[in-house]
Amino acid sequence: EIVLTQSPGTLSLSPGERATLTCRATESVSSSYLAWYQQKPGQAPRLLIYGASGRATGIPDRFSGSVSGPDFILTISRLEPEDFAVYYCQQYGSSQFTFGPGTKVDIK
Amino acid sequence: EVQLVESGGGLVQPGGSLRLSCAASGFSFSSHWMHWVRQAPGKGLVWVSRIHRDGSSSTYADSVKGRFTISRDNAKNTVYLQMNSLRAEDTAVYYCAREQLLSGNYGMDVWGQGTTVTVSS
Repeated sequence: EIVLTQSPGTLSLSPGERATLTCRATESVSSSYLAWYQQKPGQAPRLLIYGASGRATGIPDRFSGSVSGPDFILTISRLEPEDFAVYYCQQYGSSQFTFGPGTKVDIK
Repeated sequence: EVQLVESGGGLVQPGGSLRLSCAASGFSFSSHWMHWVRQAPGKGLVWVSRIHRDGSSSTYADSVKGRFTISRDNAKNTVYLQMNSLRAEDTAVYYCAREQLLSGNYGMDVWGQGTTVTVSS
């Protein structure tokens, strides 16, 4: 089973700052098979990014996904108050799906 | 409006069974693979199961294989999760989710609000 790790576990930032979240897999993952989600307390997850860099419908362009070597990166260019949440990466491989443990972005 | 609505959660004793339902509306249900994902209290997301568009194939997380069964009725626009031999560690909010239609991409782009399953004596 492919295991995803996310770093940092918690990111404390102020509105307007840039957030950089990283996801890494224990085995090679195709970029097409990597997605990012946002989840706020008491709510269902929301798809942000698919295929490592494609923005889902209705997602603001301050959210972007990229790949750097073995790392998948989610960048929020300028944090808005509504962006403070938990972010999960997810991959598909060998007929299995796995989620990372999440990165909490909280207000500094 | 595109929507998924789960139901069927509740309190069940260890070793018991429960069937969850997820009713879809606002989109072509039979065109999409469907998933169940769960989240234990205060924990992260865990994928549970996935079913083909026509119900012909399905896959499961190792933690539920042999105990849970996913199925769907495309005439009723509903996906189900039959959960048997329930354990305390199955306690979670269970979400159903729609897989994207984009070929070669495996994101889940529509989610229900979740239904809570509590396994306790």
